[in-house]
Amino acid sequence: DIQMTQSPSSVSASVGDRITITCRASQDISSWLAWYQQKPGKAPKLLIYAASNLQSGVPSRFSGSGSGTDFTLTISSLQPEDFATYYCQQANSFQYTFGQGTKLEIK
Amino acid sequence: EVQLVESGGGFVQPGGSLRLSCAASGFIFSSYWMHWVRQAPGKGLVWVSRINSDGSSTRYADSVKGRFTISRDNAKNTLYLQMNSLRAEDTAVYYCTRVASSPYYYHGMDVWGQGTTVTVSS
Repeated sequence: DIQMTQSPSSVSASVGDRITITCRASQDISSWLAWYQQKPGKAPKLLIYAASNLQSGVPSRFSGSGSGTDFTLTISSLQPEDFATYYCQQANSFQYTFGQGTKLEIK
Repeated sequence: EVQLVESGGGFVQPGGSLRLSCAASGFIFSSYWMHWVRQAPGKGLVWVSRINSDGSSTRYADSVKGRFTISRDNAKNTLYLQMNSLRAEDTAVYYCTRVASSPYYYHGMDVWGQGTTVTVSS
């Protein structure tokens, strides 16, 4: 099975900061990766698909990059509504593994 | 409006069964692959199962293989998850979600239901 490892597990940042979350796959998944945002008590929301494509309606401060085994999610200028938990997910194998999540907290 | 609405969650004893349903509306249900994803209290997202658009192909996480069965009724625009031999570790919020199928790239899970809670306890 493909394992997805996110880092960091949590991060504190301020409004206006630029932050990057990393996701590493245990084997090559090409660009079969998505990123999600989840707020407490809510369903996840798709941010990025195919590693670098911005989902419709998602602000352009969110961006994704990478292919193969190493991927990043970048938020260019944090807004108050961005404080949430972020997950990567691979879809290269028959089992669609999620990363363990990165909690983004207000400093 | 594109919508997924889960139902069927509840409280069940270990070894028991439940069937979850997910009613789809606002889109052509039969064109999408459908998934179940769960989240235990305070934990991360875990993929559970998926079914292709016509129901001919299914996949399961190792943790539920042989106990859970995913199915769909395209005439009723409804996805199901039959859960048998339930364990305490199956306690979670269960979400249904859709994916547009493509052999070229992954579209991601772009629509999610609100979730239904399953609690397995004696």
